Amino acid sequence: QSALTQPASVSGSPGQSVTISCTGTSTDVGSYSLVSWYQQHPGKAPKLMIFMVTKRPSGVSSRFSGSKSGNTASLTISGLQPEDEADYYCCSYVGGTTIVAFGGGTRLTVL
Amino acid sequence: QLVQSGAEVKKPGESLKISCKGSGYNFPNFWIAWVRQTPGKGLEWMASIFPDNSQTRYSPSFQGQVTISADKSTSTAYLQWHSLKASDTGMFYCAILWMAPNYYFDVWGQGTLVTVSS
Repeated sequence: QSALTQPASVSGSPGQSVTISCTGTSTDVGSYSLVSWYQQHPGKAPKLMIFMVTKRPSGVSSRFSGSKSGNTASLTISGLQPEDEADYYCCSYVGGTTIVAFGGGTRLTVL
Repeated sequence: QLVQSGAEVKKPGESLKISCKGSGYNFPNFWIAWVRQTPGKGLEWMASIFPDNSQTRYSPSFQGQVTISADKSTSTAYLQWHSLKASDTGMFYCAILWMAPNYYFDVWGQGTLVTVSS
């Protein structure tokens, strides 16, 4: 069982926006602005999309944005494109000896 | 970039060491992490090492089960098992891990599939 909770699946049509949530607790997501998001296409390695809640690495489309409210972080993908269909994982600093924990992942389907 | 060693098929009780070679950056000065991916448990951080001084951090879930190491001279990090179990089956990724104050996985290797079966 993952430390962070994500919906198993979300879907949207091309051009629409979708939001994927990542719920933790007051001791991880709620306490630190250290949430990152990763995109993983089938058979490929994960790719960093967002770090420190809202920051985008160079080369990542501005259609991807992150936010946080309380114990829940969110990844929003606007202007959905077919190539956005993938699994998305959140990750947060949790402190102590565990350091970081991942969410269980969300399968995004572009209809 | 990070380039990992190839897929492995092993029997329970055997030992294994997989590798991750870094290039194009100052390998000794960046933490390298190993992350396991399984269908049942998703992504899990296992361990990290700072190659310059070999400082290590282990997830409590993997402490004592694996050994992480690195060789600065060859810019290579390793993950080792001394006695594999069927439950060690999975895909293993190495990644550059930005530690304090950032905590995120930056560049990832292509993955090494480990299958443990009798």
